[in-house]
Amino acid sequence: NAGVTQTPKFQVLKTGQSMTLQCAQDMNHNSMYWYRQDPGMGLRLIYYSASEGTTDKGEVPNGYNVSRLNKREFSLRLESAAPSQTSVYFCASSEGSSSGSTYNEQFFGPGTRLTVL
Amino acid sequence: GNSVTQMEGPVTLSEEAFLTINCTYTATGYPSLFWYVQYPGEGLQLLLKATKADDKGSNKGFEATYRKETTSFHLEKGSVQVSDSAVYFCARSSSARQLTFGSGTQLTVLP
Repeated sequence: NAGVTQTPKFQVLKTGQSMTLQCAQDMNHNSMYWYRQDPGMGLRLIYYSASEGTTDKGEVPNGYNVSRLNKREFSLRLESAAPSQTSVYFCASSEGSSSGSTYNEQFFGPGTRLTVL
Repeated sequence: GNSVTQMEGPVTLSEEAFLTINCTYTATGYPSLFWYVQYPGEGLQLLLKATKADDKGSNKGFEATYRKETTSFHLEKGSVQVSDSAVYFCARSSSARQLTFGSGTQLTVLP
Protein backbone atom coordinates (compact mmCIF):
# COMPACT_ATOMS: atom_id res chain seq x y z
CA ASN A 1 0.00 0.00 0.00
CA ALA A 2 1.31 3.43 -0.94
CA GLY A 3 -0.93 5.18 1.61
CA VAL A 4 -1.54 8.81 0.63
CA THR A 5 0.29 10.11 -2.44
CA GLN A 6 0.54 13.69 -3.66
CA THR A 7 1.76 15.27 -6.88
CA PRO A 8 3.72 17.33 -7.59
CA LYS A 9 6.30 17.48 -4.81
CA PHE A 10 7.43 21.00 -5.73
CA GLN A 11 5.90 23.74 -7.85
CA VAL A 12 6.74 27.34 -8.64
CA LEU A 13 3.99 29.56 -10.06
CA LYS A 14 3.73 33.16 -11.11
CA THR A 15 0.99 35.33 -9.65
CA GLY A 16 -2.28 34.71 -11.50
CA GLN A 17 -1.39 31.26 -12.81
CA SER A 18 -3.60 28.29 -12.00
CA MET A 19 -2.76 24.77 -11.00
CA THR A 20 -4.23 21.62 -9.50
CA LEU A 21 -2.66 19.62 -6.69
CA GLN A 22 -3.47 15.92 -6.87
CA CYS A 23 -4.02 13.53 -3.98
CA ALA A 24 -4.90 9.85 -3.92
CA GLN A 25 -5.28 7.25 -1.17
CA ASP A 26 -5.44 3.49 -1.41
CA MET A 27 -6.78 2.72 2.07
CA ASN A 28 -10.48 2.81 1.10
CA HIS A 29 -10.98 5.79 3.42
CA ASN A 30 -14.19 7.77 3.32
CA SER A 31 -12.85 11.16 4.40
CA MET A 32 -10.14 13.28 2.80
CA TYR A 33 -8.63 16.66 3.74
CA TRP A 34 -6.46 19.46 2.40
CA TYR A 35 -4.28 21.46 4.80
CA ARG A 36 -1.72 24.18 4.42
CA GLN A 37 1.28 24.48 6.71
CA ASP A 38 2.87 27.82 7.38
CA PRO A 39 5.67 28.62 9.86
CA GLY A 40 4.40 29.11 13.41
CA MET A 41 0.79 28.38 12.45
CA GLY A 42 0.58 24.63 12.50
CA LEU A 43 -1.77 23.04 9.97
CA ARG A 44 -4.89 24.84 8.86
CA LEU A 45 -7.75 23.03 7.17
CA ILE A 46 -8.61 24.36 3.70
CA TYR A 47 -11.35 21.96 2.59
CA TYR A 48 -12.46 18.49 3.47
CA SER A 49 -14.62 15.77 2.03
CA ALA A 50 -16.44 13.71 4.63
CA SER A 51 -17.47 11.14 2.04
CA GLU A 52 -17.49 10.64 -1.70
CA GLY A 53 -19.69 13.25 -3.32
CA THR A 54 -19.46 15.84 -0.55
CA THR A 55 -17.07 18.70 0.14
CA ASP A 56 -17.04 21.38 2.83
CA LYS A 57 -15.06 24.48 3.66
CA GLY A 58 -12.51 24.43 6.41
CA GLU A 59 -10.80 27.28 8.22
CA VAL A 60 -9.09 28.94 5.22
CA PRO A 61 -10.99 28.12 1.97
CA ASN A 62 -10.66 31.46 0.14
CA GLY A 63 -8.78 31.21 -3.14
CA TYR A 64 -9.17 27.44 -3.41
CA ASN A 65 -11.57 24.92 -4.89
CA VAL A 66 -11.69 21.15 -4.49
CA SER A 67 -13.05 18.15 -6.31
CA ARG A 68 -13.70 14.72 -4.84
CA LEU A 69 -13.27 12.86 -8.12
CA ASN A 70 -14.04 9.44 -6.64
CA LYS A 71 -13.43 7.68 -3.35
CA ARG A 72 -9.66 7.56 -3.93
CA GLU A 73 -8.92 11.04 -5.27
CA PHE A 74 -9.31 14.56 -3.90
CA SER A 75 -7.80 17.48 -5.81
CA LEU A 76 -7.13 21.07 -4.76
CA ARG A 77 -7.24 23.85 -7.35
CA LEU A 78 -5.79 27.33 -7.23
CA GLU A 79 -7.58 29.33 -9.94
CA SER A 80 -5.42 32.47 -9.69
CA ALA A 81 -2.40 31.96 -7.49
CA ALA A 82 -1.28 34.71 -5.10
CA PRO A 83 1.98 35.06 -3.13
CA SER A 84 -0.04 34.54 0.09
CA GLN A 85 -0.66 30.99 -1.11
CA THR A 86 3.04 30.15 -0.88
CA SER A 87 2.98 27.25 1.56
CA VAL A 88 3.37 23.52 2.01
CA TYR A 89 0.15 21.67 1.22
CA PHE A 90 -0.75 18.36 2.80
CA CYS A 91 -3.46 15.93 1.87
CA ALA A 92 -4.77 13.49 4.48
CA SER A 93 -7.37 10.77 4.73
CA SER A 94 -9.25 8.96 7.48
CA GLU A 95 -11.82 6.23 7.80
CA GLY A 96 -14.49 8.80 8.61
CA SER A 97 -16.54 6.47 10.77
CA SER A 98 -20.27 7.13 10.79
CA SER A 99 -20.60 5.62 14.23
CA GLY A 100 -20.24 9.00 15.95
CA SER A 101 -16.88 8.18 17.50
CA THR A 102 -14.61 11.16 17.92
CA TYR A 103 -11.51 9.06 17.26
CA ASN A 104 -10.35 9.41 13.73
CA GLU A 105 -6.69 9.00 12.91
CA GLN A 106 -5.63 10.90 9.82
CA PHE A 107 -2.95 9.64 7.46
CA PHE A 108 -0.88 12.25 5.68
CA GLY A 109 0.81 12.48 2.32
CA PRO A 110 4.38 13.77 1.89
CA GLY A 111 3.29 17.29 0.93
CA THR A 112 3.60 19.71 -1.99
CA ARG A 113 5.86 22.71 -1.55
CA LEU A 114 4.35 25.60 -3.54
CA THR A 115 6.00 28.95 -4.20
CA VAL A 116 4.07 31.77 -5.84
CA LEU A 117 6.21 34.58 -7.18
CA GLY B 1 -14.37 27.11 19.66
CA ASN B 2 -11.91 24.27 19.58
CA SER B 3 -8.24 25.11 19.98
CA VAL B 4 -4.94 23.58 21.00
CA THR B 5 -2.09 25.49 22.63
CA GLN B 6 1.40 24.08 22.48
CA MET B 7 4.63 24.99 24.19
CA GLU B 8 6.60 27.44 22.07
CA GLY B 9 9.76 26.18 20.51
CA PRO B 10 12.33 25.58 19.47
CA VAL B 11 13.53 23.11 22.08
CA THR B 12 17.15 21.99 22.08
CA LEU B 13 18.29 19.10 24.27
CA SER B 14 21.32 16.91 24.67
CA GLU B 15 21.05 13.21 23.92
CA GLU B 16 19.57 11.22 26.86
CA ALA B 17 17.90 14.29 28.38
CA PHE B 18 14.29 14.24 29.58
CA LEU B 19 11.72 15.79 27.26
CA THR B 20 8.43 17.48 28.05
CA ILE B 21 6.36 19.35 25.47
CA ASN B 22 3.28 20.97 26.99
CA CYS B 23 -0.11 20.88 25.30
CA THR B 24 -3.48 22.16 26.50
CA TYR B 25 -6.82 22.02 24.71
CA THR B 26 -10.19 23.68 24.97
CA ALA B 27 -12.63 21.53 26.89
CA THR B 28 -15.44 21.45 24.34
CA GLY B 29 -17.16 18.10 24.15
CA TYR B 30 -15.26 14.84 24.61
CA PRO B 31 -12.37 15.04 22.18
CA SER B 32 -9.78 12.45 21.29
CA LEU B 33 -6.22 13.75 21.61
CA PHE B 34 -3.21 13.06 19.43
CA TRP B 35 0.48 13.72 19.06
CA TYR B 36 1.82 13.76 15.51
CA VAL B 37 5.49 13.93 14.51
CA GLN B 38 6.92 15.45 11.33
CA TYR B 39 10.46 14.53 10.31
CA PRO B 40 12.29 16.88 7.93
CA GLY B 41 10.82 16.87 4.45
CA GLU B 42 8.02 14.47 5.32
CA GLY B 43 4.33 14.50 6.13
CA LEU B 44 2.89 14.06 9.60
CA GLN B 45 2.81 10.66 11.25
CA LEU B 46 0.68 9.67 14.21
CA LEU B 47 2.92 9.19 17.25
CA LEU B 48 0.32 8.35 19.89
CA LYS B 49 -3.30 8.93 20.83
CA ALA B 50 -5.75 8.85 23.74
CA THR B 51 -9.49 8.69 23.32
CA LYS B 52 -10.82 9.34 26.84
CA ALA B 53 -9.88 10.87 30.17
CA ASP B 54 -7.00 9.17 32.06
CA ASP B 55 -5.95 7.17 28.99
CA LYS B 56 -2.20 7.05 28.44
CA GLY B 57 -0.94 6.90 24.87
CA SER B 58 2.55 5.55 24.29
CA ASN B 59 4.84 4.74 21.38
CA LYS B 60 8.62 4.63 20.74
CA GLY B 61 9.33 5.64 24.36
CA PHE B 62 7.02 8.68 24.20
CA GLU B 63 4.05 8.98 26.53
CA ALA B 64 1.14 11.37 27.07
CA THR B 65 -1.76 11.16 29.50
CA TYR B 66 -5.22 12.61 28.82
CA ARG B 67 -5.86 14.89 31.83
CA LYS B 68 -9.42 16.17 31.79
CA GLU B 69 -9.08 18.12 35.05
CA THR B 70 -6.23 20.23 33.65
CA THR B 71 -7.27 19.93 29.95
CA SER B 72 -3.73 18.84 29.15
CA PHE B 73 -1.97 16.19 27.08
CA HIS B 74 1.74 16.78 27.67
CA LEU B 75 4.27 14.73 25.68
CA GLU B 76 7.16 13.15 27.61
CA LYS B 77 10.15 10.96 26.90
CA GLY B 78 12.68 9.86 29.47
CA SER B 79 15.77 9.79 27.26
CA VAL B 80 15.76 11.48 23.86
CA GLN B 81 17.91 10.45 20.92
CA VAL B 82 19.30 12.42 17.99
CA SER B 83 16.80 10.59 15.78
CA ASP B 84 13.92 12.19 17.74
CA SER B 85 14.75 15.57 16.21
CA ALA B 86 11.53 16.62 14.46
CA VAL B 87 8.50 18.87 14.78
CA TYR B 88 5.81 17.66 17.17
CA PHE B 89 2.15 18.61 16.84
CA CYS B 90 -0.57 18.21 19.43
CA ALA B 91 -4.10 17.84 18.05
CA ARG B 92 -7.65 17.30 19.22
CA SER B 93 -10.64 15.99 17.36
CA SER B 94 -13.18 18.68 16.57
CA SER B 95 -15.80 16.34 15.22
CA ALA B 96 -15.88 12.81 13.97
CA ARG B 97 -14.04 13.96 10.86
CA GLN B 98 -11.81 16.92 11.74
CA LEU B 99 -8.69 17.66 13.76
CA THR B 100 -7.48 20.95 15.21
CA PHE B 101 -3.70 21.22 15.44
CA GLY B 102 -1.39 23.19 17.68
CA SER B 103 1.31 25.35 16.10
CA GLY B 104 4.02 22.70 16.45
CA THR B 105 7.20 22.47 18.52
CA GLN B 106 10.58 22.03 16.86
CA LEU B 107 12.82 19.63 18.81
CA THR B 108 16.54 19.37 18.14
CA VAL B 109 18.59 16.74 19.99
CA LEU B 110 22.35 17.24 20.00
CA PRO B 111 24.81 14.34 20.29
